[in-house]
Amino acid sequence: GESVGLHLPTLSVQEGDNSIINCAYSNSASDYFIWYKQESGKGPQFIIDIRSNMDKRQGQRVTVLLNKTVKHLSLQIAATQPGDSAVYFCAENIRDTGNQFYFGTGTSLTVIP
Amino acid sequence: GAVVSQHPSRVICKSGTSVKIECRSLDFQATTMFWYRQFPKQSLMLMATSNEGSKATYEQGVEKDKFLINHASLTLSTLTVTSAHPEDSSFYICSARDPSGHTTDTQYFGPGTRLTVL
Repeated sequence: GESVGLHLPTLSVQEGDNSIINCAYSNSASDYFIWYKQESGKGPQFIIDIRSNMDKRQGQRVTVLLNKTVKHLSLQIAATQPGDSAVYFCAENIRDTGNQFYFGTGTSLTVIP
Repeated sequence: GAVVSQHPSRVICKSGTSVKIECRSLDFQATTMFWYRQFPKQSLMLMATSNEGSKATYEQGVEKDKFLINHASLTLSTLTVTSAHPEDSSFYICSARDPSGHTTDTQYFGPGTRLTVL
């Protein structure tokens, strides 16, 4: 299996500021990545994805950056809102291995009003 | 589109009993579904890949006789926790790929099932 989180890192930001959440992945063969948002007691919700042939992808208020050299992903949230408070996970996938996704440790984001 | 449901959302059972959790794809057909478990304040851990019409593929360290998976149709996979014990208490989440979606690799998750074994 891949890396499994033990304790969630936390990040607190002021409402309106930008947030940056980081993720290190373990397998250099991973070629597809997704960021998920999970609110307490709920299943993960898709935010944005990126393939390994890209290094940046933008969505609405969110940007994902991929650095394959150091196996690092980041999620940038612009103008963070209280509704963004949740746990954020990156998930990595190797296409040819059956589409299994392996989740990173996760980061708990708290937005201070 | 791409909605995945789970039932029940919460279950409490006595030690030694078996519990069945259902995962359904509501508006698409899923040949492959995935089962995860999540402990409090921890990440999701992939347990197994559920394949329609064939045996599930289990991740290393997951007991297949303990966690029975059946994928009887293109819209339903079930996870049965057999002879449950308190250490099986966890949040169980399923996901499915929508092969007809514009991004066929994306997995959509169910809302999860909270299992508490007394």
